Amino acid sequence: EPEVTQTPSHQVTQMGQEVILRCVPISNHLYFYWYRQILGQKVEFLVSFYNNEISEKSEIFDDQFSVERPDGSNFTLKIRSTKLEDSAMYFCASSVSGRNTEAFFGQGTRLTVV
Amino acid sequence: RKEVEQDPGPFNVPEGATVAFNCTYSNSASQSFFWYRQDCRKEPKLLMSVYSSGNEDGRFTAQLNRASQYISLLIRDSKLSDSATYLCVVNMGTGRRALTFGSGTRLQVQP
Repeated sequence: EPEVTQTPSHQVTQMGQEVILRCVPISNHLYFYWYRQILGQKVEFLVSFYNNEISEKSEIFDDQFSVERPDGSNFTLKIRSTKLEDSAMYFCASSVSGRNTEAFFGQGTRLTVV
Repeated sequence: RKEVEQDPGPFNVPEGATVAFNCTYSNSASQSFFWYRQDCRKEPKLLMSVYSSGNEDGRFTAQLNRASQYISLLIRDSKLSDSATYLCVVNMGTGRRALTFGSGTRLQVQP
């Protein structure tokens, strides 16, 4: 069964450092997403990406965040200067189309900012 | 009012019990609805989509009431492996592609 894969599974970084989280969406999916979940809280939308551009972003997705699809398979989330409050589980997801279809999630990257 | 609201639980039920979860959503223009399941520190996994006519998948039945902006999930014959957090998830429509998650309802099935 095709799945979304994410690397690394766990990343520890110092405050102020840049991190890049990587994802390989399901191959025939066209829409890609990043969500995050702070420990004990609900899953929150960050950004959606379609046709090589951001199609929607939340208030959380400020200038310190960026996304990129550097090649035909990878989808990355970069956090430029990490803060303690960026510590969370980051989930990548993909869907065949943007509406009325299910999104499938990767296993997540646990980011710990120290 | 929260965009997607769920009773956090926990619901503690014996094996074999029937349990129902409810969820309300705030935006009447919402277009699509899902139940996801999340195990501790794992990713959300799609359990089922929720259709206007209601739908069933084995022991799981989902219902949607658009007039009341209400979604339900019924689990029959609960198994120990059903223990998880059940997430009500809504696409709010109006041009949005993002999914909005409820905080989840925790289910613990006991032997």
